[in-house]
Amino acid sequence: RKEVEQDPGPFNVPEGATVAFNCTYSNSASQSFFWYRQDCRKEPKLLMSVYSSGNEDGRFTAQLNRASQYISLLIRDSKLSDSATYLCVVPQARQLTFGSGTQLTVLP
Amino acid sequence: NAGVTQTPKFRVLKTGQSMTLLCAQDMNHEYMYWYRQDPGMGLRLIHYSVGEGTTAKGEVPDGYNVSRLKKQNFLLGLESAAPSQTSVYFCASSYWAGSNYGYTFGSGTRLTVV
Repeated sequence: RKEVEQDPGPFNVPEGATVAFNCTYSNSASQSFFWYRQDCRKEPKLLMSVYSSGNEDGRFTAQLNRASQYISLLIRDSKLSDSATYLCVVPQARQLTFGSGTQLTVLP
Repeated sequence: NAGVTQTPKFRVLKTGQSMTLLCAQDMNHEYMYWYRQDPGMGLRLIHYSVGEGTTAKGEVPDGYNVSRLKKQNFLLGLESAAPSQTSVYFCASSYWAGSNYGYTFGSGTRLTVV
């Protein structure tokens, strides 16, 4: 089992739709988690941190299920500008382990 | 505030040539990292450093060397470039691995080895 696994994608959704991505992790000792956003040919940028059961920031909600070892990211009222690749990230020892990413395209 | 700066942004090397990628951060971060990103592979850790004068191997260290002589700089060296090292290289820094603020990334170096 990979250390961090994400939905294969790609996801193509219309503007205004709600979309959810899932991510599973193998290290049960991990305490904090992150979602990063990466635009085409750009560097990853931190979107949200998740430390307890979940975190909400505007249209974005991240949830954590420690028992099942998965993290989810929910995007409500999708905008064209949300089109990007979303990376699930889990700290492991002294480093972060990145999932391979889920590509989202929001269509007009 | 510059954050994390990588140089160069683009480079084409011939097989067997050597080069050094420079990463500089002005946030007083202890931890610094070098990743490579290939299509369909995600970000893979090459080497990292938990403080000035320290370095450690990541997931894919072969063919690369690093040095952290100053806290703000982390250098990645390719002694004898191979086509398999064609990739996008990202440097990142953080206060520590589980920091609330995550990692700050540089804008990347696109390297092609022919």
